[in-house]
Amino acid sequence: DIQMTQSPSSLSASVGDRVTITCRASQYISNYLNWYQQKPGKAPKVLIHAASSLQSGVPSRFSGSGSGTDFNLTISSLQPEDLATYYCQQSYTTPPLTFGGGTKVEIK
Amino acid sequence: QEQLVESGGGLVKPGGSLRLSCAASGFSFSGYFMTWIRQAPGKGLEWVSYISGTSGYIHYADSVKGRFTISRDDAKNSLYLQMNSLRAEDTAVYYCARDSGGNYLFDPWGQGTLVTVSS
Repeated sequence: DIQMTQSPSSLSASVGDRVTITCRASQYISNYLNWYQQKPGKAPKVLIHAASSLQSGVPSRFSGSGSGTDFNLTISSLQPEDLATYYCQQSYTTPPLTFGGGTKVEIK
Repeated sequence: QEQLVESGGGLVKPGGSLRLSCAASGFSFSGYFMTWIRQAPGKGLEWVSYISGTSGYIHYADSVKGRFTISRDDAKNSLYLQMNSLRAEDTAVYYCARDSGGNYLFDPWGQGTLVTVSS
């Protein structure tokens, strides 16, 4: 099974800061990497698919990059509504589908 | 709009059974892979099972294989998860989600239904 490792597990940043979350796959997954945002008490929603494609309706301050085994999710200017936990998910080898452990983003 | 609504969660004793349902609306349900994903309290996301549009392609996570059964009724626009031999570690919010393009990208998700396994 492909393991997905996210770092950091949590972070605290100020409004307007640039924030980067890393996701590493235990083996090659090309660009089969999706990012989800889960706000407190809500279901996850898609932010980025295929490593770098912004989902329709998602603010442009979110971006994704990477290929192979190493990926990043970047928030260019953190906003209060970005308080959430962010998950990466690989879809290269299934089953099983696997998610990263999550990164909790808090606002200072 | 496209919507998924889960139901059927609740409190069940270890070894018991429960059947979850997911009602879909706003899209052509029969054409999509569907999946169940769960989240234990305070924990991350864990994929449970998925089913193809024709029900001919079904897979389970090792943690539930042999105990859970996924199914669908396209005439009722509904997805199901029959859960047997429940364990404490099955306690979680269970979400249904649509595979939006046949490439394991899940959108939308339902609001989730909580399953608690406890004596």
